[in-house]
Amino acid sequence: KAGVTQTPRYLIKTRGQQVTLSCSPISGHRSVSWYQQTPGQGLQFLFEYFSETQRNKGNFPGRFSGRQFSNSRSEMNVSTLELGDSALYLCASSLSLQGPNSPLHFGNGTRLTVT
Amino acid sequence: ELKVEQNPLFLSMQEGKNYTIYCNYSTTSDRLYWYRQDPGKSLESLFVLLSNGAVKQEGRLMASLDTKARLSTLHITAAVHDLSATYFCAVLEYGNKLVFGAGTILRVKS
Repeated sequence: KAGVTQTPRYLIKTRGQQVTLSCSPISGHRSVSWYQQTPGQGLQFLFEYFSETQRNKGNFPGRFSGRQFSNSRSEMNVSTLELGDSALYLCASSLSLQGPNSPLHFGNGTRLTVT
Repeated sequence: ELKVEQNPLFLSMQEGKNYTIYCNYSTTSDRLYWYRQDPGKSLESLFVLLSNGAVKQEGRLMASLDTKARLSTLHITAAVHDLSATYFCAVLEYGNKLVFGAGTILRVKS
């Protein structure tokens, strides 16, 4: 069974640009969550999608947005990039909605560098 | 707001020694997870702890959960170099939102 797939693996962007990251969950998983990992702030929750609906959102500015498609694939978009957006962005998928009895399965992440 | 604290943040161990990583959290939750992360890699699930008194073991790692004390421990027995990594605990806040601790960097020296 294929794991969570994130593309691209690496991105270099310039301040002010926008970026779109993609995540394909494990087959059959309908919940997709996004996390940002930085050395200073650690792992922080961005948002979660289930059946194409955003269920939860973390404490990030509106420049961070996402969506989920009918096949459960998800994208996140960051507009007007800032240097502080440089991070590893991790996508995680899960079978269930109300608190997983199995862990979230994480992808390998997209390393975004903003210059 | 749920807060998760791990300690120590850095742990340098000799091979063969035992040690414990602690994870405290601030509000009620009955699901706690331990993950491992190798440099430049993603998060690998180690344990899911679902209820008070839960204990799980895999190889040289054993995790336990005390929901009344809001405390989980990850015990390392007879450490080996391959265990060197960063270990995170994460607590389920709601839905599928996890709140992570800061992580414990473990270095096992031979």
